[in-house]
Amino acid sequence: GESVGLHLPTLSVQEGDNSIINCAYSNSASDYFIWYKQESGKGPQFIIDIRSNMDKRQGQRVTVLLNKTVKHLSLQIAATQPGDSAVYFCAENRDGQNFVFGPGTRLSVLP
Amino acid sequence: DVKVTQSSRYLVKRTGEKVFLECVQDMDHENMFWYRQDPGLGLRLIYFSYDVKMKEKGDIPEGYSVSREKKERFSLILESASTNQTSMYLCASEGAVEKLFFGSGTQLSVL
Repeated sequence: GESVGLHLPTLSVQEGDNSIINCAYSNSASDYFIWYKQESGKGPQFIIDIRSNMDKRQGQRVTVLLNKTVKHLSLQIAATQPGDSAVYFCAENRDGQNFVFGPGTRLSVLP
Repeated sequence: DVKVTQSSRYLVKRTGEKVFLECVQDMDHENMFWYRQDPGLGLRLIYFSYDVKMKEKGDIPEGYSVSREKKERFSLILESASTNQTSMYLCASEGAVEKLFFGSGTQLSVL
């Protein structure tokens, strides 16, 4: 079926290390992807997006990589900080359709 | 910045009660959405609206209805609350650019 999923439900990293959060999607027609961050007790916040005509997009300390061949999306966080602890969602969108969200990965930053 | 405001952060209701969840956005966005968020299931779309007085069913509309009398306000209604509707409810709006902006959420408990 059409779905967006994550390889790992939880991820623990040492403060200062890089984090990589993965996402698989099943619909090759998806052309727009977003990563959201949700801190405890808050709504999801937009982090970064990427369109299917791109392979990579960088923001401040974050990079999103898109591999259309294997339908895989990843979020890389450089120099992970305690404030990065949150649940991270990927979402896919096809033109004219609604977003489909993955279940989320909980990132824990260890001191 | 876009602001999406949900009227209540926490709500406790009894089975059978009629429940109103209110959402207001301040960016004149056309599209508004209601999701519920449950552990391990991610965000699931309940209803959405592309314009005033317009509504469309999402993936899980059963037991819910919505109202969009003004462009900035989108209300979710539980006609007769049940315990399986205990959940986090998230409202979102979307403008010309395909980004969803979320409110902080309403944690509803139905006893």
